[in-house]
Amino acid sequence: NAGVTQTPKFQVLKTGQSMTLQCAQDMNHNSMYWYRQDPGMGLRLIYYSASEGTTDKGEVPNGYNVSRLNKREFSLRLESAAPSQTSVYFCASRETLAGVTDTQYFGPGTRLTVL
Amino acid sequence: AQSVTQLGSHVSVSEGALVLLRCNYSSSVPPYLFWYVQYPNQGLQLLLKYTSAATLVKGINGFEAEFKKSETSFHLTKPSAHMSDAAEYFCAVSAGGGTSYGKLTFGQGTILTVHP
Repeated sequence: NAGVTQTPKFQVLKTGQSMTLQCAQDMNHNSMYWYRQDPGMGLRLIYYSASEGTTDKGEVPNGYNVSRLNKREFSLRLESAAPSQTSVYFCASRETLAGVTDTQYFGPGTRLTVL
Repeated sequence: AQSVTQLGSHVSVSEGALVLLRCNYSSSVPPYLFWYVQYPNQGLQLLLKYTSAATLVKGINGFEAEFKKSETSFHLTKPSAHMSDAAEYFCAVSAGGGTSYGKLTFGQGTILTVHP
């Protein structure tokens, strides 16, 4: 049981390049999330997927797109990377058995630098 | 709308001393509150969560937090710090399921340093 996995762990891009961050969970969770972490700002929600086939914007969606490929996988795409997107990206999934206090489980993160 | 404020971006304590990390929240609905810990170069790990069943919540590694509605606070404490507690700690609030879909709003984080 690997939990939430993310690839790659590190990535360096040049301004204008595109890339896709991959996320997969093996816990059969319905909901998945993408956050970015910047110093002094905590984690901010980029996009989320409440269930397979649905996605919606979070707090900071500009410059990103997502795809919920199936129940396990939720990818984040940067179409034209900008230096402001230099950050650490975390994927999370949420169990929904217990109701409103369900826990989100986080992946190890992807450290992205845009030059 | 929800928000979280963590008072103090850095807290430094001596090994064996009390740890107190402060968190205040704002929420238009009854909140669900979480503390997560992040060790260097790792993801976030749940320490504890407030489920509304009890105001004093015990978590892993000897940490606990008390929900105080009148003060809109959910401060994290540990009676005796250990070197292994050095990490960054995040307080988060959720409006729960339904149309909120469990989305978390995080505080800015508090870096805890433990001195020998």
